[in-house]
Amino acid sequence: AQKITQTQPGMFVQEKEAVTLDCTYDTSDPSYGLFWYKQPSSGEMIFLIYQGSYDQQNATEGRYSLNFQKARKSANLVISASQLGDSAMYFCAMREGGETSYDKVIFGPGTSLSVIP
Amino acid sequence: KAGVTQTPRYLIKTRGQQVTLSCSPISGHRSVSWYQQTPGQGLQFLFEYFSETQRNKGNFPGRFSGRQFSNSRSEMNVSTLELGDSALYLCASSLGMGLYGYEQYFGPGTRLTVT
Repeated sequence: AQKITQTQPGMFVQEKEAVTLDCTYDTSDPSYGLFWYKQPSSGEMIFLIYQGSYDQQNATEGRYSLNFQKARKSANLVISASQLGDSAMYFCAMREGGETSYDKVIFGPGTSLSVIP
Repeated sequence: KAGVTQTPRYLIKTRGQQVTLSCSPISGHRSVSWYQQTPGQGLQFLFEYFSETQRNKGNFPGRFSGRQFSNSRSEMNVSTLELGDSALYLCASSLGMGLYGYEQYFGPGTRLTVT
């Protein structure tokens, strides 16, 4: 069963607008971490933001914030004030387990975001 | 601090040959993971090494192997190449293997083309 679902294969957003990229996950482990990565056309994966399952507050990193709804098993990425350089593939990922977890990181299929001037 | 480096960046091989890809992690990082990325299958996990030991393995045939050296540098090897092995191979390093503060940092990838 797919553990990470990203239902939006492609999205468009106007420059300077905010956009939300959806991610839902499936796990029975109470300890897990959720990650978002950006992959521009150059190919290199760039770490954006992390949310732990026990974190009380939603993670934020500059223009990126993670809307974490634990009961819904959802970890949506919100990008505020979109810029042309935000055009890229965005991947949601999860690693199950605790601080000494050896579980692998699982990636979703990705969402292609295009920012329109 | 230097990022993750991967060599070579591009490679063209023929079916049946073998190939070795190299990854140097960020200084101080002890965990190295390898991924295969293709348009059809997306990002697929190959294996993860920590302190020279393979800790996790994905669902790939035995033709795919890897190792990690004492300086945390890692290599992956693919023997008897098939056309379907054409892909972008990404290496990622992290401080450790737990959840907290152990986000992965990726290299630029090696683009392998099998003809």
